[in-house]
Parts: sequence; structure tokens; C-alpha cells
Amino acid sequence: QKEVEQNSGPLSVPEGAIASLNCTYSDRGSQSFFWYRQYSGKSPELIMFIYSNGDKEDGRFTAQLNKASQYVSLLIRDSQPSDSATYLCAVNEGNQFYFGTGTSLTVIP
Amino acid sequence: SAVISQKPSRDICQRGTSLTIQCQVDSQVTMMFWYRQQPGQSLTLIATANQGSEATYESGFVIDKFPISRPNLTFSTLTVSNMSPEDSSIYLCSVVAGAPDTQYFGPGTRLTVL
Repeated sequence: QKEVEQNSGPLSVPEGAIASLNCTYSDRGSQSFFWYRQYSGKSPELIMFIYSNGDKEDGRFTAQLNKASQYVSLLIRDSQPSDSATYLCAVNEGNQFYFGTGTSLTVIP
Repeated sequence: SAVISQKPSRDICQRGTSLTIQCQVDSQVTMMFWYRQQPGQSLTLIATANQGSEATYESGFVIDKFPISRPNLTFSTLTVSNMSPEDSSIYLCSVVAGAPDTQYFGPGTRLTVL
């Protein structure tokens, strides 16, 4: 069974700090990797995707992929209280998408 | 990306009744999914609804309880039949679009069954 694992948290960081969210996946055939943000009571919103080893930056967000170690991470620089949400990691293989259970992040003012 | 709308956004229903949720996409998409999410819980895939074929249901979900229609490439419905309080949840539709294939979610339908 394909698995995507995340630490459920909660993860608390002070405002302005770097938040680091991690995700591991079980299937080496996975092709694309996604991070979603979900505010309480709202639907998941795509933050960014990555499919090549290394780093991908988009504003305050950096996704890091290491296929050899089968992990993908999301760094949020200069964390803001508005970043407080649950972050979902997702993995795509062919026509299948697999979601982690999410990490709850709280940014403390 | 894809812009997705769902109707209704929320509803309160009586036990034993049925509710049909509509999902409309602003572009033609092949793959569409229906999820359920209990408060504070992770996403649970109900079924995959691809146009031109029968919906494929995940373990624990059956067509009699959750019939799905997919009449064209921009629209789908999910019906929650013979509802019980255990069906109270947020129901989400999602589509695959873009390159690489990426899932985009609708705003969700919050269902409460009394």
C-alpha cells in the first residue's frame, strides 16, 4: 500500500521564524509532489509542486525534494500568523494521488 | 489551474433523506474525484469519476449510498443517499489539470444530518 506520512504536529513557531514541514513517501515510482494549505473549514489550496530533485522557491515558500531518501519538505520563511493552517503533502503516481494526513502549523505572534 | 464551484455550499438535512451535490469546473477535465473530510481529519477518497465510464469507488463506499453522475467533462454530481448523522462531513470535489497533473479542489459542501 502506498503511503504518505507527515508528522501531525501541532508545530508551533514564532512569527518571523522558519517553519519546516516534512513528508515521506513509500513508492519510488512517485512522480510529482505537492504541498497544499488548508485553513480550518476551507478546502485545500495548492501552494506549490515539485518533481525534480533539489529546491524550488516561490516567494516565502521553498519545496525540497530528495527522491533517493523519499522525502519532500516545505520551508516557510518569515512565518506569519496567517500561515497558521494544516499543510497537506500529496504524491502523484500515474492517475493516482496519495495524501498525507497533514501537519498543523501555528505561528505565534 | 481550474476554477471549481460546488452547490450547495452547506445544508442541514434530516435523517433518511438524500442530498445531491453539484460540481462545476470552468474547463474540460478528464479526472474528477469526490472526497469526504470529517472535522479535524484527513481527506478520504470516496470515488473517482471519469467521463465516459462508471465511477470507481474506494473501499467502504458503494454506489447505492453515493451514486455519482458525470455527464460531461465539466460537471459531476454526488448524491448522499438515505443519510444518517454519520454522513455529516465536508464533501469536496477535485479535478486534475495542468502540467504536471495537479489536483485542484472545490470549496466544499458542509453537510449536517440531524
